[in-house]
Amino acid sequence: SQQGEEDPQALSIQEGENATMNCSYKTSINNLQWYRQNSGRGLVHLILIRSNEREKHSGRLRVTLDTSKKSSSLLITASRAADTASYFCATEGSNYKLTFGKGTLLTVNP
Amino acid sequence: ETGVTQTPRHLVMGMTNKKSLKCEQHLGHNAMYWYKQSAKKPLELMFVYNFKEQTENNSVPSRFSPECPNSSHLFLHLHTLQPEDSALYLCASSQAYRGEEQYFGPGTRLTVT
Repeated sequence: SQQGEEDPQALSIQEGENATMNCSYKTSINNLQWYRQNSGRGLVHLILIRSNEREKHSGRLRVTLDTSKKSSSLLITASRAADTASYFCATEGSNYKLTFGKGTLLTVNP
Repeated sequence: ETGVTQTPRHLVMGMTNKKSLKCEQHLGHNAMYWYKQSAKKPLELMFVYNFKEQTENNSVPSRFSPECPNSSHLFLHLHTLQPEDSALYLCASSQAYRGEEQYFGPGTRLTVT
């Protein structure tokens, strides 16, 4: 069953702007992870945030987690054309399996 | 380059063929995974191996047969596939089976004719 669900499905912005993607899930989690995938390639891990954490940063990436609302957001600041990719959230549940959403397709226009 | 390699990168096979996908990780990880990615669908977990032992078979049809001879290598043997099995097959590894990020290979694009 699908756990994480990203919103929006697609996002188009100009270079230099910030991009925000959201993820909602239904059941309790151990952690939530964000991944990036360039077209037809493998996934690249971005950030892992544990259920007892509220915010994490990595370079231009900021991830928040609100377990009371069962939601997370990924913010990419000062976007670049190279950030164009699909972004997926994945939740690790109590069974330790990682369940992925359908992703947000981000297009950053030069 | 994530330290996880997959071969072949592309594969076209008929429904009566037998082929194998290979995955190798150079990260010293203990857990390895096979995922299927189809168009318009979320990534689907197929199999999980932890210290060479299969810990998860996510109701995958028997025409897909995994093999994990050691913690660095993972195979997916394919036989009598259907056209709907056409997809991107991704291998991943992680240091531990739980609570860790996964490192993905570039995938094998499989087309079943």
